[in-house]
Amino acid sequence: GDSVTQMEGPVTLSEEAFLTINCTYTATGYPSLFWYVQYPGEGLQLLLKATKADDKGSNKGFEATYRKETTSFHLEKGSVQVSDSAVYFCALILDSNYQLIWGAGTKLIIKP
Amino acid sequence: GAGVSQSPSNKVTEKGKDVELRCDPISGHTALYWYRQRLGQGLEFLIYFQGNSAPDKSGLPSDRFSAERTGESVSTLTIQRTQQEDSAVYLCASSSRASGGYSYEQYFGPGTRLTVT
Repeated sequence: GDSVTQMEGPVTLSEEAFLTINCTYTATGYPSLFWYVQYPGEGLQLLLKATKADDKGSNKGFEATYRKETTSFHLEKGSVQVSDSAVYFCALILDSNYQLIWGAGTKLIIKP
Repeated sequence: GAGVSQSPSNKVTEKGKDVELRCDPISGHTALYWYRQRLGQGLEFLIYFQGNSAPDKSGLPSDRFSAERTGESVSTLTIQRTQQEDSAVYLCASSSRASGGYSYEQYFGPGTRLTVT
């Protein structure tokens, strides 16, 4: 069935380090892909999205490129800040459906 | 405008009791979703409402779980005879249908943390 796999956390980095959180998916059809972020004590927020192959989503310095050939949507940021500490979720939705299929989440901890 | 709101924010209940969780979606959003998030895990789909169509209840884990929605407004998720494994954060989200198709962006409420003792 359709699924999303993302790297296990927690991921611990120092401030200004380069971040990659891996996300791969399995889907029948042509999904749209999303990264959601959950800051401590807050609700889930959409971080970025890409709706077709080779699209790049970007927001707040984060980027992810929809790679159909590798079925991946890895999240990257060039220089992380303490305020980026949160749980990050990769998700997909199929054109033929309305349910978001979620990865398990990756906790990111940034140390000053 | 106001975002998705949920109440209560926290609920502690004894095993065997019934609980009711409430979600107020963003005004004008036709789609409403309920999810469950267990500690350290991803989101688990429970139920989906779209306008006046029959809801998709395929994610409800047992017949102790039910949900209602009046038109395109408030929704309530009811858990009867709660069990300890029902302890989780229950999240509600809403979205609007964009012109020509679905808008996939879901806006989430802050969740209700349910603890069954």
